[in-house]
Amino acid sequence: GENVEQHPSTLSVQEGDSAVIKCTYSDSASNYFPWYKQELGKGPQLIIDIRSNVGEKKDQRIAVTLNKTAKHFSLHITETQPEDSAVYFCAASSSGGGADGLTFGKGTHLIIQP
Amino acid sequence: KAGVTQTPRYLIKTRGQQVTLSCSPISGHRSVSWYQQTPGQGLQFLFEYFSETQRNKGNFPGRFSGRQFSNSRSEMNVSTLELGDSALYLCASTEGAGYTFGSGTRLTVV
Repeated sequence: GENVEQHPSTLSVQEGDSAVIKCTYSDSASNYFPWYKQELGKGPQLIIDIRSNVGEKKDQRIAVTLNKTAKHFSLHITETQPEDSAVYFCAASSSGGGADGLTFGKGTHLIIQP
Repeated sequence: KAGVTQTPRYLIKTRGQQVTLSCSPISGHRSVSWYQQTPGQGLQFLFEYFSETQRNKGNFPGRFSGRQFSNSRSEMNVSTLELGDSALYLCASTEGAGYTFGSGTRLTVV
């Protein structure tokens, strides 16, 4: 089955700096790669996703890049703000997130230092 | 538009008991998935339902089961609870464009 590795497990950055979280996946059939943000006491919230026919996607301060050959994808957050502090999860799926479910990474605790 | 609603938010059960958790998806969403979240194992896929049919199941013992009703609401059941079943159980719904998760049910087995 699919295996998703996520690094780092904890990331501390100064407010205003950029943060990068990296994930690798094992199943070449995976074609959908979402990123989730989870705040304390809440469920994961989808912040951005990318499909395998696209190499990069941006949404304001957030961007995701995908390298299918190397089987890795990354989340980039620019101009970090205190409200970006949370746990971030990457995931992969071969069914667009439907029947086969999502395989998640272990998460990155992002800490924004004021 | 209402989000995914999970009830109850918190549960405390004793080993050996059974428990039923409920999930109401976003209106119009026919796919409902369940995940278990623990500090050690992270987020793990339990099963997925679409139009009342289980399409896929993760690597969990048969004590974990679920069902979906004609209005897309879903329930999951865990029988003969073990201490290791203590976790946050998350439900997510989709209509093909990414999951929306509920806030989860925190189950504690004592």
